[in-house]
Amino acid sequence: DIVMTQSPDSLAVSLGERATINCKTGQSVLFSSNNKNYLAWYQQKPGQPPKLLIYWASTRESGVPDRFSGSGSGTDFTLTISSLQAEDVAVYYCQQYYNAPYTFGQGTQLEIK
Amino acid sequence: EVQLVESGGGLVQPGGSLRLSCAASGFAFSGYWMHWVRQAPGGGLMWVSRMNTDGRITTYADSVKGRFTISRDNAKNTVYLQMNSLRVEDTAVYYCARTGLHCTGGSCYLDYWGQGTLVTVSS
Repeated sequence: DIVMTQSPDSLAVSLGERATINCKTGQSVLFSSNNKNYLAWYQQKPGQPPKLLIYWASTRESGVPDRFSGSGSGTDFTLTISSLQAEDVAVYYCQQYYNAPYTFGQGTQLEIK
Repeated sequence: EVQLVESGGGLVQPGGSLRLSCAASGFAFSGYWMHWVRQAPGGGLMWVSRMNTDGRITTYADSVKGRFTISRDNAKNTVYLQMNSLRVEDTAVYYCARTGLHCTGGSCYLDYWGQGTLVTVSS
């Protein structure tokens, strides 16, 4: 199984400031035949299901604000929120879909400082 | 509008069985792989199972292999999860989810999720 490690476990950022969450995969999730990284980011608010934010490591899902961006390749990935808004308080998960089982990171709790 | 609605959760004793259902609407269900993901109370997300479009290909997490069975009825736009020999550690909210639009196989992100159904395994 591909082990997913997120850092930090929790993060407190001031409104309007940048938030950065990291995700490291236990093996590369870059598929050489199509040059795509099989990595997604999800946001989960209390009492709600996860919501897809980013797929293929850097493609923003339709309707997701452009303050959310994803970057990275191979084994190291980053989710960046450029200017934190109050509604961004949530737990964020990365997931690899390169190989089943499609493992998730442990989650990062994002709060307002 | 894409909708996924899970049902069938509840309280069951260890060793018991439950069958979860996920009714889909708002999209061409038969054209999409479907997945189940669970979340233990206060915990993180764990991928459980997936099924291809015609039901011939299934994959499971090791922790549920041999106990859980995923199936689908494309005529009813529904995917199921039959859970047998349930354990206390299977207690979780179970979500069904659809594979993303820009994928051609089962290795795909999940773009729509249901609200989940709670399964509690306890004596």
